[in-house]
Amino acid sequence: QQQVKQSPQSLIVQKGGISIINCAYENTAFDYFPWYQQFPGKGPALLIAIRPDVSEKKEGRFTISFNKSAKQFSLHIMDSQPGDSATYFCAASISSGSARQLTFGSGTQLTVLP
Amino acid sequence: DAGITQSPRHKVTETGTPVTLRCHQTENHRYMYWYRQDPGHGLRLIHYSYGVKDTDKGEVSDGYSVSRSKTEDFLLTLESATSSQTSVYFCATRTGGMIYEQYFGPGTRLTVT
Repeated sequence: QQQVKQSPQSLIVQKGGISIINCAYENTAFDYFPWYQQFPGKGPALLIAIRPDVSEKKEGRFTISFNKSAKQFSLHIMDSQPGDSATYFCAASISSGSARQLTFGSGTQLTVLP
Repeated sequence: DAGITQSPRHKVTETGTPVTLRCHQTENHRYMYWYRQDPGHGLRLIHYSYGVKDTDKGEVSDGYSVSRSKTEDFLLTLESATSSQTSVYFCATRTGGMIYEQYFGPGTRLTVT
């Protein structure tokens, strides 16, 4: 019920291309869906997030598409750049116990070739 | 990094020894979290705190304990380290209310030999 499934595990894209990472969840009580970007040796950094009352959110080259009925959401990186090469994690948030908790996907290692 | 520091940043220890990792924040955030990151598993919640002296277990809490005596500090203790606890440990904070974002520290790489 708490699992978030992320695919693909790794992704190689040419500079200027579109990178697409997909996530699926089961628990319909999740109500906040962030994406995190992590560079080697660093902590994850919040990239963009969406709440389930909207189907799409765009911030610069990064877009989240959200399909509530299918329980799926995806990250699109337009005009991918070598500097976007990092590991990306989707997550889903739920109020559980005494605090709001995040459940993470397993991560996607993105490589953007110059 | 929302004013979050972790110490030590790297540690090598032997099986059976106790280890304490420290997370320090300067943002006065109410909530603090400890995660571990392992290949193929993303980040998994170990313990979290919802206030001073208020803590609760996460998904993978066995073998770990935590304490929070001040708002700014959250300690993670491995009472008797095992090789399966070799991992990268991240602390995160959240301010609370309707703000759901969590902010992560730089991590501690722990190796148990």
